[in-house]
Amino acid sequence: AQSVTQPDIHITVSEGASLELRCNYSYGATPYLFWYVQSPGQGLQLLLKYFSGDTLVQGIKGFEAEFKRSQSSFNLRKPSVHWSDAAEYFCAVGTDDKIIFGKGTRLHILP
Amino acid sequence: SQTIHQWPATLVQPVGSPLSLECTVEGTSNPNLYWYRQAAGRGLQLLFYSVGIGQISSEVPQNLSASRPQDRQFILSSKKLLLSDSGFYLCAWRKDILGNSPLHFGNGTRLTVT
Repeated sequence: AQSVTQPDIHITVSEGASLELRCNYSYGATPYLFWYVQSPGQGLQLLLKYFSGDTLVQGIKGFEAEFKRSQSSFNLRKPSVHWSDAAEYFCAVGTDDKIIFGKGTRLHILP
Repeated sequence: SQTIHQWPATLVQPVGSPLSLECTVEGTSNPNLYWYRQAAGRGLQLLFYSVGIGQISSEVPQNLSASRPQDRQFILSSKKLLLSDSGFYLCAWRKDILGNSPLHFGNGTRLTVT
């Protein structure tokens, strides 16, 4: 069965520091992978997506993610976080009919 | 461009009362529509999805139902709310059901059952 694991429930980083959020997936075929961000009380916004080709994909707001098939991972990175990046981040894998989400990682930013 | 509207934004309802949450999509035709519920620490739980008018797939047995009376309208309902129905409800749409088609979300409805 398809699944997505985000091992970190909470992550705290200082403003200006680099960020990496982990995501592991389980899917039998070539995965379609997504990262979404959710600000408090809001819906989810698509940050980036991976379908095929270059394993390093760029997204909005300065985020990037790297697909590693050998590790079944799709980690999200940002070189320097801003206070406005504090939010919850969801990794997801796309299948026919539905998209399966991880449980999310809440990012806290220290001033 | 496509937009998705979801209302109301917040709702407080007593146990045993009925529920109706509405979602509409503009700027596209024949969207695939989804209802998710989000509870703290539990991620997003897919409740229902629809690939066309009158076609509803249910993911989990529960106290809720969904309907799609028009192409771009998706309604989440309950005849009698339970305390456990409290949560953040999100409507979303996709252009098609291929795995590479991303979801686009509404702003959600915060439901509190008292």
